[in-house]
Parts: sequence; C-alpha cells; structure tokens
Amino acid sequence: GQQVMQIPQYQHVQEGEDFTTYCNSSTTLSNIQWYKQRPGGHPVFLIQLVKSGEVKKQKRLTFQFGEAKKNSSLHITATQTTDVGTYFCAGLFGGFKTIFGAGTRLFVKA
Amino acid sequence: GAGVSQSPRYKVAKRGQDVALRCDPISGHVSLFWYQQALGQGPEFLTYFQNEAQLDKSGLPSDRFFAERPEGSVSTLKIQRTQQEDSAVYLCASTTVDPSGLYNEQFFGPGTRLTVL
Repeated sequence: GQQVMQIPQYQHVQEGEDFTTYCNSSTTLSNIQWYKQRPGGHPVFLIQLVKSGEVKKQKRLTFQFGEAKKNSSLHITATQTTDVGTYFCAGLFGGFKTIFGAGTRLFVKA
Repeated sequence: GAGVSQSPRYKVAKRGQDVALRCDPISGHVSLFWYQQALGQGPEFLTYFQNEAQLDKSGLPSDRFFAERPEGSVSTLKIQRTQQEDSAVYLCASTTVDPSGLYNEQFFGPGTRLTVL
C-alpha cells in the first residue's frame, strides 16, 4: 500500500543546533506537503513541493523534494525554542488521499 | 474570516454508544477531509468530499463509520456502536483545488477528542 516513512521519530537538540527530518515513499508522489503540529494543537501548513528536485526556503527552514519525487526533507538551521513541535510530511499519490508520515517530534533545549 | 471549526471539542462515550462529530469548513472550500489521529501518530486519512460528493472513503476503518456532507458545506462524521479502539482525535480539514487539480494547503480544525470508555 501507499506509505510515507518519516525519520527520525524524535530529535533532541540544543538551541542553535540544526535539525533535519526525512520522508521516503516507495512510490512516486505527485506532491508533498509539510505541516507542523504544536503540542495540543492541530497541524498547520508549512509548504507544498510539486516539482522534481524542488527546493524552497522559509527563513531558517529549507525544504527539498527529491529528483525521483520519492523523498523529501525539512532542514531547520539554528533551531530556536519556538521550533518545538512535531513535523509531518504528507504525500499525495494522485487522487484525493493524503498520506501522512508518523512525524518527527523536535525538542529544543535552551 | 473564521477558520475550520469542529464540535464538540471533547466527547466521552460509553462503549456501544453512537456519536456524531461536526465540522464547519472554511466558507467556499469545496474539498473536505476527515482524519483520525491516535496519540503520537500522524493523521490517518478517513474520507474525502468534493462539495457534497464523497469521492474517497477508503480510509474508514469499518462500516460503523459514516460521513456525510449533504449540502457541500458542513460535514458530520458518525460512529456507530463505538469501541475503545475508536478513541482518538478526529480532525477535519478543508482546502481549495487549483486549476491544475492539485490541492492547496489544508486548513485543519482543532479536532474532536473522542474517548470511549
């Protein structure tokens, strides 16, 4: 079946360190979205990647979509305590179903 | 304008009871999703509506789960004869579709936390 694997499950960093989470699919994605969910909150959209090899930046966040459109990554430079939360990738395989990864929970120690 | 709203925010049901969860999407959003999120997991797709048409219900776990959106706006997720394994947060999201057919960002509601005792 269609699955999106996301690693790592957890990441503890010291404030100022970098952070990366990775998503992989065994089949080609039509596009991928990234969401952030704060503890007790709901997912909030960060970005959508559509094109093969696409790279997008939002301040300290860099998003990449693989050439084969089967993998994606989110990199945060110089983490801050406000970055705490769970980051989800969500893959679309065509059609309507959105498949979320299990998420990477980021802990930032001040 | 207002975001996606869901009610109730919390629901406690005894095993075997029926529950109904409501979602009010953002006005004008034709696409609506329901997800189930277990503790520590990612949202799991349940069903998708485009206007009033339910185009994908492949994620509904059993025939005890039923969703409707009769007028293409408000949606209700109904769970019959609730079981303990139904305990989760139920999220609703709405979005628009761009001319190429791709979804834009999904706007999530706050969710309904269902606890089945």
